[in-house]
Amino acid sequence: GQQLNQSPQSMFIQEGEDVSMNCTSSSIFNTWLWYKQDPGEGPVLLIALYKAGELTSNGRLTAQFGITRKDSFLNISASIPSDVGIYFCAGQLSGGGADGLTFGKGTHLIIQP
Amino acid sequence: DAGVTQSPTHLIKTRGQQVTLRCSPKSGHDTVSWYQQALGQGPQFIFQYYEEEERQRGNFPDRFSGHQFPNYSSELNVNALLLGDSALYLCASSLGGGLGGYTFGSGTRLTVV
Repeated sequence: GQQLNQSPQSMFIQEGEDVSMNCTSSSIFNTWLWYKQDPGEGPVLLIALYKAGELTSNGRLTAQFGITRKDSFLNISASIPSDVGIYFCAGQLSGGGADGLTFGKGTHLIIQP
Repeated sequence: DAGVTQSPTHLIKTRGQQVTLRCSPKSGHDTVSWYQQALGQGPQFIFQYYEEEERQRGNFPDRFSGHQFPNYSSELNVNALLLGDSALYLCASSLGGGLGGYTFGSGTRLTVV
């Protein structure tokens, strides 16, 4: 099945550093979502974006919905140990939400002590 | 407030057998979606149920079928299991189709031997 192009695949950073990851698609999406998944758990929603160009923050997290509707990025500022995990972007075709999500392969964030 | 509940948490089946996975949505949610997550991959959309009917389907064969009950809970059935069906199966619930994002359960880990 289709998956979004998410990069990087993994990141090794020091605690306190800022993190940036992005997601691109060959297709237009009307909703972009960012999820975090911890081992043995399901994905947890971090940020939802509904309008092209929209920039939304949730604490230390900031995400943007690309103007072309084909990309999105997620930034994490001043990383802390609990930020470790796998981050997934997901796109949804319909603005009304009545269809499934298309996910990227994930960015594995590892924080070195 | 109970989130999405899935059962069982782990399951081992033999090739050719059939399996049924169960999901109870988050309180107040009326829509249930199922995803398959292979190791190291992002979740892949299987199908979505709303008002007891399959509303949308991803690129999965007819061996994958589902059901939604009047209390909004749902089952995922997989027939004629293949080794490649081994994955984490995630259930996600939402209200009215998913606007605002989905709430995921912790999943059922299915191993086919």
